[in-house]
Amino acid sequence: GESVGLHLPTLSVQEGDNSIINCAYSNSASDYFIWYKQESGKGPQFIIDIRSNMDKRQGQRVTVLLNKTVKHLSLQIAATQPGDSAVYFCAENIGSNYQLIWGAGTKLIIKP
Amino acid sequence: EAGVVQSPRYKIIEKKQPVAFWCNPISGHNTLYWYRQNLGQGPELLIRYENEEAVDDSQLPKDRFSAERLKGVDSTLKIQPAELGDSAVYLCASSLGPGGYTFGSGTRLTVV
Repeated sequence: GESVGLHLPTLSVQEGDNSIINCAYSNSASDYFIWYKQESGKGPQFIIDIRSNMDKRQGQRVTVLLNKTVKHLSLQIAATQPGDSAVYFCAENIGSNYQLIWGAGTKLIIKP
Repeated sequence: EAGVVQSPRYKIIEKKQPVAFWCNPISGHNTLYWYRQNLGQGPELLIRYENEEAVDDSQLPKDRFSAERLKGVDSTLKIQPAELGDSAVYLCASSLGPGGYTFGSGTRLTVV
């Protein structure tokens, strides 16, 4: 079936290093992608989004890369901080149905 | 802006008992979603409202779950009777359109 998935369930990164979280999607009709951060006990929080007509978008310390050829999405976090510890989800939207399809999540662990 | 407000934050009930969750979306957000999230997984859509109309309830287990959004603002999700497998976090989100999803902190339901 069509789904969005993440390659690694857990990613450990040294504080101060850059983090790269990957996501694969299977529906070529997806035209909008979002990364969410979910801290323990909280709802998912919007980080950054990208539309399918773009291949890169930058925010504050975060960059999302979209490779439509291989249906791959990545989230890069620069200079990872302890506050970045969370589970990160990618989600895709198809058309105007407002429904997101979610991956299983990657837990980011920051090593001091 | 208060964000999406959900209550209660936690609920523990015995199986076969009823339970209700309440959500107040961001002011002006016409679209409201209820999601269910199991541990370590991404949220799964239960129902989506456009104003007071449920436009997508295909994933809502209608034999025991019900929802309402009578005035197109607040919403209530009910489970009756609850089963052990209903233990999860129930998230409410609201949006103006794709990409504007804002989530509440969720209600953690434990059925014993």
